[in-house]
Amino acid sequence: EVQLVESGGGLVKPGGSLRLSCAASGFTFSDAWMSWVRQAPGKGLEWVGRIKSKAQGGTTDYAAPVKGRFTISRDDSKNTLYLQMNSLKTEDTALYYCMSGFWGQGTMVTVSS
Amino acid sequence: SYELTQPPSVSVSPGQTARISCSGDALTKQYAYWYQQKPGQAPVMVIHKDNERPSWIPERFSGSSSGTTVALTISGVQAEDEADYYCQSSDSSGSWVFGGGTKLTVL
Repeated sequence: EVQLVESGGGLVKPGGSLRLSCAASGFTFSDAWMSWVRQAPGKGLEWVGRIKSKAQGGTTDYAAPVKGRFTISRDDSKNTLYLQMNSLKTEDTALYYCMSGFWGQGTMVTVSS
Repeated sequence: SYELTQPPSVSVSPGQTARISCSGDALTKQYAYWYQQKPGQAPVMVIHKDNERPSWIPERFSGSSSGTTVALTISGVQAEDEADYYCQSSDSSGSWVFGGGTKLTVL
């Protein structure tokens, strides 16, 4: 059974940083392209970014609103995906999902003073 | 920036057919994916690569593509199908984009 479990969310002040993790199981994580998608309260889905498998270069792509502030990385030895978020803004407040076909349950990030 | 356009809402009676459209210029060159999201739950993929249905998704869900428009069709709608539905595709650089979502109401 595929499982994606996000963690690391919480309350942070504007300008602060947070690192999210996503523990994967039930599939060959090292072969998977992994994405982060967020959903602000009461709003639709918004793509944050993606990391390719190392076999396909391990490169990353980001949505314009987060480019230069967020960094996606992966540790295939731990089957874990990360999202490092810096210079957080109030508009980054959202439920953050990791996904690769299947979706985790998400972790909530609240940016507020 | 690239956009995918969906109707905000679609209403249908049980047993009828619901069709949810999604329009965008790049849909002629990029696959579309459809996700179902019920209140308080994570999204679930119901269609991938325009018209392929995962084995665990009921057969009443189907996808189609014509030019710059793709569609999700639910035949014989059931009360449990009431949810928000999102289309997703990519732009020319490979960046993903989601449609704004369609709320399906089963009357």
